[in-house]
Amino acid sequence: KAGVTQTPRYLIKTRGQQVTLSCSPISGHRSVSWYQQTPGQGLQFLFEYFSETQRNKGNFPGRFSGRQFSNSRSEMNVSTLELGDSALYLCASRQLMNTEAFFGQGTRLTVV
Amino acid sequence: GQQLNQSPQSMFIQEGEDVSMNCTSSSIFNTWLWYKQDPGEGPVLLIALYKAGELTSNGRLTAQFGITRKDSFLNISASIPSDVGIYFCANAGGTSYGKLTFGQGTILTVHP
Repeated sequence: KAGVTQTPRYLIKTRGQQVTLSCSPISGHRSVSWYQQTPGQGLQFLFEYFSETQRNKGNFPGRFSGRQFSNSRSEMNVSTLELGDSALYLCASRQLMNTEAFFGQGTRLTVV
Repeated sequence: GQQLNQSPQSMFIQEGEDVSMNCTSSSIFNTWLWYKQDPGEGPVLLIALYKAGELTSNGRLTAQFGITRKDSFLNISASIPSDVGIYFCANAGGTSYGKLTFGQGTILTVHP
C-alpha cells in the first residue's frame, strides 16, 4: 500500500508570492490534516479535511487555506508569503474514527 | 490549549544502552501516539496506545499509557545507531481525532 505522498519536496519562493502544496493520502484514508514544523514552534496543526469539508482549524492566519477533492487528495495554499512561513509542511492521513495518523515526507518551503 | 511536556529534550548515549523518555499533560487523554522523525523526513508512527495502563512493544521499543491517563513513557532497549532521530509524543483532544498536539520532541544521539 502506498504511503502519503506530498509534492513537491522542496520549494523556494519570494516574499509576497503564493504557493500551493499537494497531498495524496493513503488509499482508503478519508481524513487529511496539515501541519507546519519549524525549529522554534515545533509541530503545529493547521487544519483537517474530510468529506471535502474543513473540520478543524489551528491558530493560523487566513493566508493559510486548504481544500480537499472527492478522491480525498488535498491541497494547501499560502498567499502573500512571509519569511516566517519558511518551514516543513507535513500532511497526514488517517481513517475516520481512528487517531493513528500517517505522515508524508513533507514539503520544505523556503521563503526568500 | 492543551500542552504536552516531553522530557528529556535531548539525550546522548552509547550504542547498546537503554533509553527512556516521557510525556506529561495536564489533561486526560484516550490515546497516546509515539512518532520518530529522521532529518528532513516526516514523522513515522512507532506505537499507539489506547488504554490506561497499557504496555505495548514494537521490537526494541516499549511504550506505556500512564494509569492517570495524563502521561506516557517510551523505552528503547539496546540502542543502535539507526535509533538516532527526534521522538515525539502526540495525542488528539476530545473528539477532534484529526487534530494532533505534539510534544516538543526528544533528540536522541547514539554514539557507536
